[in-house]
Amino acid sequence: RKEVEQDPGPFNVPEGATVAFNCTYSNSASQSFFWYRQDCRKEPKLLMSVYSSGNEDGRFTAQLNRASQYISLLIRDSKLSDSATYLCVVQLKAAGNKLTFGGGTRVLVKP
Amino acid sequence: DADVTQTPRNRITKTGKRIMLECSQTKGHDRMYWYRQDPGLGLRLIYYSFDVKDINKGEISDGYSVSRQAQAKFSLSLESAIPNQTALYFCATSVGGSNNEQFFGPGTRLTVL
Repeated sequence: RKEVEQDPGPFNVPEGATVAFNCTYSNSASQSFFWYRQDCRKEPKLLMSVYSSGNEDGRFTAQLNRASQYISLLIRDSKLSDSATYLCVVQLKAAGNKLTFGGGTRVLVKP
Repeated sequence: DADVTQTPRNRITKTGKRIMLECSQTKGHDRMYWYRQDPGLGLRLIYYSFDVKDINKGEISDGYSVSRQAQAKFSLSLESAIPNQTALYFCATSVGGSNNEQFFGPGTRLTVL
């Protein structure tokens, strides 16, 4: 089983719609969680950290469910520019704070 | 200018050749990392360095070596390239401590024939 698993998609989303997707992680000792965004053939960039209480950054909302070991990302009012691959990232403090990346979920926003 | 740079950006080489990928950063970060990305597999950690005297293997270090020449420079070598090392390679840096964000270079696309 992969440490961090994501639905690869693609999620085809009409412009203006809401899209949500999850990521599951296998190590219950994981401490920190993030969503990175990666545009085609470009480097990943931090989108947002995920906090236990859930957090929102504009149109983006991230949630953490420790009991079921998953995190989620919701994008409201999707823009064409939201088309990208979203990488779920988990950090295990006991492993020297190294990051473990999921394979990514591809989102395509269409007019 | 980009804070994290990688050279070369693209490279095609043949099986058995020695290849070096270079990474430089102007962010002043102590921590540097090398990842490879393959379709559907996400980024996998090859090596990481928390300072000039500290080098650690990641999950897929076999067939690779690294050198941390200075705080700002971290190079990755493939001593004898093989076709399954064809991938997109990223260098990243981070401050460390409680700040977990990693900053990535633009990537090097390596093809081994």
